[in-house]
Amino acid sequence: DTGVSQNPRHKITKRGQNVTFRCDPISEHNRLYWYRQTLGQGPEFLTYFQNEAQLEKSRLLSDRFSAERPKGSFSTLEIQRTEQGDSAMYLCASSLRGQAYTGELFFGEGSRLTVL
Amino acid sequence: AQSVTQLGSHVSVSEGALVLLRCNYSSSVPPYLFWYVQYPNQGLQLLLKYTTGATLVKGINGFEAEFKKSETSFHLTKPSAHMSDAAEYFCAVSRMDSSYKLIFGSGTRLLVRP
Repeated sequence: DTGVSQNPRHKITKRGQNVTFRCDPISEHNRLYWYRQTLGQGPEFLTYFQNEAQLEKSRLLSDRFSAERPKGSFSTLEIQRTEQGDSAMYLCASSLRGQAYTGELFFGEGSRLTVL
Repeated sequence: AQSVTQLGSHVSVSEGALVLLRCNYSSSVPPYLFWYVQYPNQGLQLLLKYTTGATLVKGINGFEAEFKKSETSFHLTKPSAHMSDAAEYFCAVSRMDSSYKLIFGSGTRLLVRP
C-alpha cells in the first residue's frame, strides 16, 4: 500500500502525559498537512510543511504542540502535557504542491487520541 | 475570510432515491470548492472539485455538484442512492494563498435505507 500511513491508529493516555503521532506521506509528495477532527466537526487545519520547512501554524496549535518533518520525509506531531480537550482524531494529508493548489490532498486514516 | 456551511448533519434517503447534500460558501475571491467523502474507518478522499470552467462538475461514483455563484452554493447530488454511498461527506473551500489549505464544513452523514 503506497498511501499515507499514520501511527498509532489509536492512543489512550492519561492527562499530563506526552504523546507522539507519526505520518508517512506518499513518497514523492512535498506537501504535508496536519488536521484535527473532533466529534461532529469537520477537519480543522493545524499546520503544514513544504518539504522540511514548517510554513504555517494555526492558532489551534498551542505551545504544547510541536510538529517536525526532518529531511522532508515523515512527520511527527507531539503533544506535551495532554489535556482532555486534546481528545480528537489527528489527520495527516500529503500532496504535490501542484495538487494542493487544486485541493487534491491524500489523507491517512488518522490517529485517534483519547485523553482520560 | 472563507468558510463553508453544510445544512443538515444527517441526511437519510431510501436506496434508489435522489441524494442532495447542501453546501453554501463564503469567499471574498472566486473560490475553489471541493467535496470529500469519508467511509467508515477510511481516510478522506476527494469526490469532486470545482476550480474554474464548467460549473457542473462530475465526480466519482456518479456524484456531481453545481457551482452557483449567485446562490453561493455547491450542492452535491446523485440521482440514485446506493447502500455503498453511506458515509460522511465534507464540503471544503481552498484558502487562496500559498498554503492552499482546505477549510472544511462540519460534515453531513448520509444514511441509505434499504
